[in-house]
Amino acid sequence: GENVEQHPSTLSVQEGDSAVIKCTYSDSASNYFPWYKQELGKRPQLIIDIRSNVGEKKDQRIAVTLNKTAKHFSLHITETQPEDSAVYFCAASTGGGNKLTFGTGTQLKVEL
Amino acid sequence: GAVVSQHPSRVICKSGTSVKIECRSLDFQATTMFWYRQFPKQSLMLMATSNEGSKATYEQGVEKDKFLINHASLTLSTLTVTSAHPEDSSFYICSAPDRGRYEQYFGPGTRLTVT
Repeated sequence: GENVEQHPSTLSVQEGDSAVIKCTYSDSASNYFPWYKQELGKRPQLIIDIRSNVGEKKDQRIAVTLNKTAKHFSLHITETQPEDSAVYFCAASTGGGNKLTFGTGTQLKVEL
Repeated sequence: GAVVSQHPSRVICKSGTSVKIECRSLDFQATTMFWYRQFPKQSLMLMATSNEGSKATYEQGVEKDKFLINHASLTLSTLTVTSAHPEDSSFYICSAPDRGRYEQYFGPGTRLTVT
């Protein structure tokens, strides 16, 4: 089955700096890669996703890149703000309606 | 966007009793729903895939006789934790994809505490 690894497990940045979180996956059939932000006690919130037919996607301060050959994808957050502090999870799926396999999570802390 | 609800949001039960958690898709039909469990400071781990009108598919290591799943309609799936024990205390979250879409919609989760 699919295995998703995520690094780093914790990340501390100064407000205004950029943050990068990286994930690798094992199943070459995976073609959908969402990123979630989860605050304590809350449901995961989709912040951006990418499909395998696209190499990069951007939405304001957030971007995701995908390298299918190397089987890795990354989340980039620019101009970080204190409200970006949360746990971020990457995930992979083999397509619409199929189960998600989650990475281990990254605790991001944005310090003033 | 599509909305998924869960009930209850929190439940405390005594060891040995059973607890039922409901997951509803409010504005779309969900032929498939997923049940995840999340322990503190850990990731979401898929427990089972709930399929409307058929048996659930359980992930390796998940006891199907302990975690009973019923998906009797296109908008409702239930997870029953039978003979709950303290080690079953966790955050249970369901999700459902809207047909034809890649995005999955998560319920708000249910915090189960077994005393």
